[in-house]
Amino acid sequence: DAGVIQSPRHEVTEMGQEVTLRCKPISGHNSLFWYRQTMMRGLELLIYFNNNVPIDDSGMPEDRFSAKMPNASFSTLKIQPSEPRDSAVYFCASSLGGGLGQPQHFGDGTRLSIL
Amino acid sequence: GIQVEQSPPDLILQEGANSTLRCNFSDSVNNLQWFHQNPWGQLINLFYIPSGTKQNGRLSATTVATERYSLLYISSSQTTDSGVYFCAAVNAGGTSYGKLTFGQGTILTVHP
Repeated sequence: DAGVIQSPRHEVTEMGQEVTLRCKPISGHNSLFWYRQTMMRGLELLIYFNNNVPIDDSGMPEDRFSAKMPNASFSTLKIQPSEPRDSAVYFCASSLGGGLGQPQHFGDGTRLSIL
Repeated sequence: GIQVEQSPPDLILQEGANSTLRCNFSDSVNNLQWFHQNPWGQLINLFYIPSGTKQNGRLSATTVATERYSLLYISSSQTTDSGVYFCAAVNAGGTSYGKLTFGQGTILTVHP
């Protein structure tokens, strides 16, 4: 069975450029999560979608970050304009039932470097 | 919010040794997961274990929810076990969805 699929695996871009990260959740899962991993702050939740609707975006660091889920099989996380402090590994995860009583399954992550 | 603390922060083993990693959490949980982050950065699901005991090959885990801790046991360690082990929990009384809070991880190095 296909797991959570993220693309690209690696992204290197210059400060000020727009960055788009993509995620395909596991088929049938109705909950999708975006996490960010940094050395300073560890793994943190950025935003949570349930049935394609953003439920909690309190973890999104600032207005430069936006996320969408146009359908049940695709989500994007966009950073515009990007800054060096956005360099991190970004993970997408999916689960059933909002992740309550169910495990979250993680993609392989996107390693983002902003120069 | 819930606090998740892992110990030890670092662990160095000789191949074949056994080890126990601990995860303490500050509030009741309805989701607890153990992950292994390998050297390529992938987060591998090891266990979903909000309570009880589970085993998978050389790995096993126990969560005592009433005492607010979970343990991950690694037996007969191999070099491929090296990496960072994370515990993550969802606060039962926190949010209406599975917001995972991660511990800071245990860095495991297994030498041949």
